[in-house]
Amino acid sequence: DVKVTQSSRYLVKRTGEKVFLECVQDMDHENMFWYRQDPGLGLRLIYFSYDVKMKEKGDIPEGYSVSREKKERFSLILESASTNQTSMYLCASSLYQGAMRNTIYFGEGSWLTVV
Amino acid sequence: QKEVEQNSGPLSVPEGAIASLNCTYSDRGSQSFFWYRQYSGKSPELIMSIYSNGDKEDGRFTAQLNKASQYVSLLIRDSQPSDSATYLCAVNKEAAGNKLTFGGGTRVLVKP
Repeated sequence: DVKVTQSSRYLVKRTGEKVFLECVQDMDHENMFWYRQDPGLGLRLIYFSYDVKMKEKGDIPEGYSVSREKKERFSLILESASTNQTSMYLCASSLYQGAMRNTIYFGEGSWLTVV
Repeated sequence: QKEVEQNSGPLSVPEGAIASLNCTYSDRGSQSFFWYRQYSGKSPELIMSIYSNGDKEDGRFTAQLNKASQYVSLLIRDSQPSDSATYLCAVNKEAAGNKLTFGGGTRVLVKP
């Protein structure tokens, strides 16, 4: 079974703190994604990566950055956390870009509260 | 207009009945379509994928795709209380590579 692991399930951070959300997948997937999910707004893509050291902005990249130094690990960074970044963050992975039909697998989610 | 639209619900269905969920999308270049189920506080899990016009059945689930009308639907037959969840429609455009765009989800409540 594909496993996407988000190391932190529940975090409470203060405004202005730098926050790291870590994600690891064990299936050698090329693609990795970070989404956030908010009531009434659904899942929105923050950043994605097609390969090591490659990243592309999603729909809502402002206030976030990412790092992919190894194929299995994709980190989301909040440079200076703000209260409007309180949300559930979902990491996901899938196989290579060329095959349109590849399934995206999600991690269990990280609930971040910024106070 | 949102790229992928779903009725937020809740859709209330008696146990044993058929739940019918609809999803419309705006981009005619969309190629792949997915239904995810998400229980409260959990992450989405894939239940169906469909790529060609017509119906695709998997157990109690049937996905229906009509590219001309730009909609995809999900039928849940013999609905069970365990089917109570939010169902997310997701669409993949060829130009977007493997990036999915999600609808807001439809909440389904199956009442015993």
